Order: sequence, then C-alpha cells, then structure tokens
Amino acid sequence: GDSVTQMEGPVTLSEEAFLTINCTYTATGYPSLFWYVQYPGEGLQLLLKATKADDKGSNKGFEATYRKETTSFHLEKGSVQVSDSAVYFCALSAGTLTFGKGTMLLVSP
Amino acid sequence: EAGVAQSPRYKIIEKRQSVAFWCNPISGHATLYWYQQILGQGPKLLIQFQNNGVVDDSQLPKDRFSAERLKGVDSTLKIQPAKLEDSAVYLCASSSTGTVSYEQYFGPGTRLTVT
Repeated sequence: GDSVTQMEGPVTLSEEAFLTINCTYTATGYPSLFWYVQYPGEGLQLLLKATKADDKGSNKGFEATYRKETTSFHLEKGSVQVSDSAVYFCALSAGTLTFGKGTMLLVSP
Repeated sequence: EAGVAQSPRYKIIEKRQSVAFWCNPISGHATLYWYQQILGQGPKLLIQFQNNGVVDDSQLPKDRFSAERLKGVDSTLKIQPAKLEDSAVYLCASSSTGTVSYEQYFGPGTRLTVT
C-alpha cells in the first residue's frame, strides 16, 4: 500500500539556519504530495503542495519539489525562525491522505 | 470564514465506557473526514463522508467505532466500548470536494485519554 517515510526528529536548529526535512514515498500511480504543519495546540494546516512530477510547492519561505525519479518531496527553508517551531507532516494523496509520522522542528534564538 | 469546529477538546474516560465527539465542518464543504492520531504517529483516516454518504470506512474498527453525518453537515464519531489503545487525538477535517488534490481543513482535534 501507499506509505510515507520522514526523517525522525526532533530537528534542532538555531535561528537563520538552513532547514531540510527529508520525505520519501511509496505509491502506485501518480499521487499528489503535501506538507502539513501542526503548531502546538492547533490543528494541521496545509503548508504547500505539488500535484505532478517536477512541480515545486512553496509558501512562507518553505519549498519542496516533487521528484518522481527519487520518489522524494524534501522540505527546505533557507532561514528558519523561532516561529517555525512545529511538527511537520509529509503526506500523499491518491484518493485519501496518507501521512508520515511527522518531524518535530525546534528553533532556538 | 469560520474553521472546522470540534468538541470537546479533551476527554478522559475509563476503559469500557463510551464517548462521542462532535464536528462542524466549514460551511459548504461537502466532504468530511475523521482521523485518529496516536502519539508519535501521523493521522490515520477512519472514515470519509461525501455529503451524508460514506465514501471510505475501510479503516474504521466497526465493532466499537461508529460515525454518522446527518443532513450532510455536522458529524458525530462514537466509541463504545473504549479500549486503552483508543487513546489518541481525533481530528476532523473538511474539504470542498473529494478530489485528491484539494486542500483539507483540519479542526483542533479532541484529545482522548482512556484509563
């Protein structure tokens, strides 16, 4: 069945550091790919998405590119802020959403 | 625009008791989802409604879990009887269509603790 694998956390960074959170997937067909973010005490929010190979999703300084050849959708940000501290979920959809286990990001001043 | 509302936010019950969660989706959203998120894991879909019909309930433990969406708006998820392993956050989400790439909007969740 479909599955998503994310790097384990927590990822601990200083403010203004470069962020990469790895995500790979297994799916039949051509799923859409998503990154969701969950801030403490809140529900999940869609951060960005890509619906076909080579698409780049971007939002709030975060980017991820749909790489079909490596079945990856890594999340990147050039300069993280303390307010980016949250749990990040990679997900795919080929009918229903399948989530990874989540990666906690902790950014210190 | 009001978001997805859920209640209660927290619930503590003993095993073998019953519990119900309520969800009010974003106005006009035809599709409603219930997810279970166990600590340290990603959300897992339990059931998907399109209007008041069930689209997918393949991962719903039907011997103890039930859900309904009367009139195609609000929804209730029930657990009876609860087990220790049901301790989790129950998330409700809604979307404007059931198309795969459409964004799902999530509520804040109900944290259930079964003792």
